[in-house]
Amino acid sequence: QKEVEQNSGPLSVPEGAIASLNCTYSDRVSQSFFWYRQYSGKSPELIMSIYSNGDKEDGRFTAQLNKASQYVSLLIRDSQPSDSATYLCAVNMNSGYSTLTFGKGTMLLVSP
Amino acid sequence: EAGVTQFPSHSVIEKGQTVTLRCDPISGHDNLYWYRRVMGKEIKFLLHFVKESKQDESGMPNNRFLAERTGGTYSTLKVQPAELEDSGVYFCASSQDRGDYGYTFGSGTRLTVV
Repeated sequence: QKEVEQNSGPLSVPEGAIASLNCTYSDRVSQSFFWYRQYSGKSPELIMSIYSNGDKEDGRFTAQLNKASQYVSLLIRDSQPSDSATYLCAVNMNSGYSTLTFGKGTMLLVSP
Repeated sequence: EAGVTQFPSHSVIEKGQTVTLRCDPISGHDNLYWYRRVMGKEIKFLLHFVKESKQDESGMPNNRFLAERTGGTYSTLKVQPAELEDSGVYFCASSQDRGDYGYTFGSGTRLTVV
């Protein structure tokens, strides 16, 4: 069974710190990887996508991908209380059209 | 640009009743997806439309679920008859392309079957 694993948390960090969120996936041929942020009762919001090994930076967010280790991570620098949410790792394990396999999500709590 | 719209936002029905969820994708998005999150579990894929055609319905749990997308615009997901285990949040998403760059989710319909 194709799976995406995340630590459910909560991950607690103080304001201004770096939050590190991790995700592993089971299907070695996966090609595209996404991080969604979901506030309680709201829709998942796409914040990062990554397709090749290495780092991808966008503002305070950095996604890291290591296909050999089947590992993807999200770093949030200078964490803010407004970053407190559940972060969902999603992987496209199909060729062709994109259907996503999600992890259960990691809850991040940023304390002022 | 209006986002993906879903309604109702909440629905409480009794076991055995029928419920129909509706999703209006972003205008011009040919690809429409349904996902579901049941309590304590991850969000799971249900099915994918390209325009009015079902591209992939491998995630549909059983034949009590029927999805349609007449005319390739909005989509409905009907559950008939509803069972207790159908409770959860049903998300719709859409994308202009194949979804390689991610897609936009609606705010979901919370379905409770009692």
